[in-house]
Amino acid sequence: SQTIHQWPATLVQPVGSPLSLECTVEGTSNPNLYWYRQAAGRGLQLLFYSVGIGQISSEVPQNLSASRPQDRQFILSSKKLLLSDSGFYLCAWSAWKGEKLFFGSGTQLSVL
Amino acid sequence: SQQGEEDPQALSIQEGENATMNCSYKTSINNLQWYRQNSGRGLVHLILIRSNEREKHSGRLRVTLDTSKKSSSLLITASRAADTASYFCATWPGGTSGSRLTFGEGTQLTVNP
Repeated sequence: SQTIHQWPATLVQPVGSPLSLECTVEGTSNPNLYWYRQAAGRGLQLLFYSVGIGQISSEVPQNLSASRPQDRQFILSSKKLLLSDSGFYLCAWSAWKGEKLFFGSGTQLSVL
Repeated sequence: SQQGEEDPQALSIQEGENATMNCSYKTSINNLQWYRQNSGRGLVHLILIRSNEREKHSGRLRVTLDTSKKSSSLLITASRAADTASYFCATWPGGTSGSRLTFGEGTQLTVNP
C-alpha cells in the first residue's frame, strides 16, 4: 500500500535561517507531488506541484523553493525564512492529474 | 484565489443530528472533492464526484453536485462526536487548464455528545 512521510512534525526557526522540509512517498511510482500551506483556521494554498523528476511549477511568488531530486521525494526549501512563512505545511501526492490527494501529517512551522 | 467557498463557516449540532455543508465554486470543473481535517493533522479524502454525476454516497456521507448552480453539498447523517473536524471542498478545473486542486476555506463542524 502507498504511504506518505513528512517530517518534521513541528519546527521552530529564527527569522533569516534556512529551511528544508522533506516528503517521501512509498508504494507508487511517478506520483504527482504537491506542497500546500495552511494558515490557522483557513483553507489550503498551493505552493508548488511536480509531475515528474526535476519538474516544478510554482503557484505563488515567495522566498520558498521546491525540488524533486528523486521520483518519490519532494523537498521544500528556503534560504532565509520570514515571519510570514509561519504556517502549517502539507505535502500530498496523487496517482495522476485530477484524482484524489493523499496528504502527509503536516509540519507546523513557527518563524520567530 | 480560492475556487470553492464553504457555507457555513462553522456548524454546531448534537450527536445523532444530520450535518449539511455547502460549497460553491466559480468556474467549470472536472470533479469536486470533499476532505476532512482533524485539528493539527493532514487532510483525509472523503469522496469525489465528477462533473457528470449528480449524487454519490459513501457510508453516512451523501454528496450532491449541481453544475448549473456551481454548487455542491455534503450531508453527514446520524452524526457522531468523532465527526468533529473541518471539512473542505476542493475543485479540479475542467478542460486542460492546470494540474492543481483548489481548496475552499472549510466548514468547522462540532458535534456535541
